[in-house]
Amino acid sequence: DIQMTQSPSTLSASIGDRVTITCRASQSIGTWLAWYQQQPGKAPKLLVYRASNLEGGVPSRFSGTGSGTEFTLTIGNLQAEDFATYYCQQYETYSPYTFGQGTRLEIK
Amino acid sequence: QLQLQESGPGLVKPSETLSLICTVSGDSISSNNFYWGWIRQPPGKGLEWIGSLYSSGSPFSNPSLKTRVAMSVDTSKNQFSLTLYSLTAADTAVYYCARHMSIRGVFDFWGLGTLVTVSS
Repeated sequence: DIQMTQSPSTLSASIGDRVTITCRASQSIGTWLAWYQQQPGKAPKLLVYRASNLEGGVPSRFSGTGSGTEFTLTIGNLQAEDFATYYCQQYETYSPYTFGQGTRLEIK
Repeated sequence: QLQLQESGPGLVKPSETLSLICTVSGDSISSNNFYWGWIRQPPGKGLEWIGSLYSSGSPFSNPSLKTRVAMSVDTSKNQFSLTLYSLTAADTAVYYCARHMSIRGVFDFWGLGTLVTVSS
């Protein structure tokens, strides 16, 4: 399996801050990487696909970069609704699709 | 607007079999050749992909669960289903159904999820 490792596991920030979450793959996945946001008690919501493409309707303060084994999700000018848990997912191979363990973004 | 809704028992006994159905509304499950998948999330933990299937069948699943998983599509009811055999407490999770647009596709539409507890 391709292992996905996110850091940090928890991130404390304030409204208006800019934060970055890192996701590392155990082997190269090209740009076959997605980012999801999950609010408590809700289903995950797709934010970014192919490492850097924003899903329709996602605010432009979200951005994704990276290729190969290292990827980042940056959120600029944090808003109250951005405090959630974020997951990366590789889909270079479906055997199996794998997710990172999650990064919880909390209010400082 | 595409919507997915999971349904099934909330409580299942250990060693028994779980059957879940995902009902798709807002589009035909067999149109556009999409894939339909299942993902689960144990309480307080991360996401695990269980398996997916093409709109015409052809399921594929996580090797870690492959021997216990079966999936199928019922195009007449616009539904797809998951069967998970030989349950243990470790299978307690919120189970989500979701769509992906290709085999190298992200999960772009999700159901609300249904909590399944495995307990005697």
